[in-house]
Amino acid sequence: DGGITQSPKYLFRKEGQNVTLSCEQNLNHDAMYWYRQDPGQGLRLIYYSQIVNDFQKGDIAEGYSVSREKKESFPLTVTSAQKNPTAFYLCASSSLGGRRRNQPQHFGDGTRLSIL
Amino acid sequence: DQQVKQNSPSLSVQEGRISILNCDYTNSMFDYFLWYKKYPAEGPTFLISISSIKDKNEDGRFTVFLNKSAKHLSLHIVPSQPGDSAVYFCAAKNEGGSEKLVFGKGTKLTVNP
Repeated sequence: DGGITQSPKYLFRKEGQNVTLSCEQNLNHDAMYWYRQDPGQGLRLIYYSQIVNDFQKGDIAEGYSVSREKKESFPLTVTSAQKNPTAFYLCASSSLGGRRRNQPQHFGDGTRLSIL
Repeated sequence: DQQVKQNSPSLSVQEGRISILNCDYTNSMFDYFLWYKKYPAEGPTFLISISSIKDKNEDGRFTVFLNKSAKHLSLHIVPSQPGDSAVYFCAAKNEGGSEKLVFGKGTKLTVNP
């Protein structure tokens, strides 16, 4: 089945610790995205990547880092610099450009990060 | 500065009736709009979209209407079913720009049997 897999589903972070959230897609999508959702809030964009080895900051990139070494993978690291990391993190992917313009983003089932 | 606004945090309707979810936007450069449905502890699922060259798009029980002059769109669900109970997010994109989506805060729909 084609889709987006996020792991783990639940993650706990200690103070001062970096943690990495995994996102893998087998949809052959060019673009991948990381969002954060807080209670009662919409989804806010952290980082996105439209091509391997390239990524752009979203609206709330501070305290986060990403890499895009492979087309199918876009891991997100929540660093100790992120002072309020407790949230629901969602990864998405989409096709890009050409005849496939305006393709919707497809989402994984998320990772819930909490502070110990 | 919230560019996509869903002013109703919640909506409750009776099974079989129409559900109307509203969304307003402020950025006139937005020209592609999407609705997503989200259950708790799951990722959003794409529902329906509309390009700014249209004013209506229909898919089964779901219809999206776009009023560009008012910068307003709405999602109609007819007839509503209990399984439609979820949070609905409106999102917008600038077709000429990047692939970034801007999301509203969502409306929680409850369909009562």
